[in-house]
Amino acid sequence: GNSVTQMEGPVTLSEEAFLTINCTYTATGYPSLFWYVQYPGEGLQLLLKATKADDKGSNKGFEATYRKETTSFHLEKGSVQVSDSAVYFCALSKEYGNKLVFGAGTILRVKS
Amino acid sequence: DAGVIQSPRHEVTEMGQEVTLRCKPISGHNSLFWYRQTMMRGLELLIYFNNNVPIDDSGMPEDRFSAKMPNASFSTLKIQPSEPRDSAVYFCASTAGLHNEQFFGPGTRLTVL
Repeated sequence: GNSVTQMEGPVTLSEEAFLTINCTYTATGYPSLFWYVQYPGEGLQLLLKATKADDKGSNKGFEATYRKETTSFHLEKGSVQVSDSAVYFCALSKEYGNKLVFGAGTILRVKS
Repeated sequence: DAGVIQSPRHEVTEMGQEVTLRCKPISGHNSLFWYRQTMMRGLELLIYFNNNVPIDDSGMPEDRFSAKMPNASFSTLKIQPSEPRDSAVYFCASTAGLHNEQFFGPGTRLTVL
């Protein structure tokens, strides 16, 4: 079946450090891939997405590239801020109108 | 657009009581999802609807849980009777289906004493 595996957290970084959160997936065909972010006390928000191989999604300084050869969609940011502290979820979707399959989430803590 | 609206935002009830959570999806969206989030189990999909019809309810934990979507602008998730282990944050999300980008509501924090 379809599944998403994320690196375990929490990930603790100092402000301005480089961030990578690993995400790999298992799915047949060509799923759409997403990163969602959840700030404390809030619902999930879409951060970025990619719908086909080699696409790069980007938003708010975050980037992720859809790598079909390695079935990965790693999230990166060159310089994190304290305000980036949140839980990050990687997800995939196989079919139009179908449900999302989420990873377990990775807690990011950024210290000033 | 106001986004996905959920009510109440917080609910505290006693074991055995009926709890009803409400969701108004974004206008024009044709799919609606109910999730539960806990520290122990993370984010779980309970049920989802497409065009007001339940498509997959395999995540509904027990018969105590039920969900309805009487029209395109309203859905309810009911727990009867509630138990302490139902304490969680319940999220509703909706999508127009294009690439399945889901929009989440702010959640309802349920505490069952």
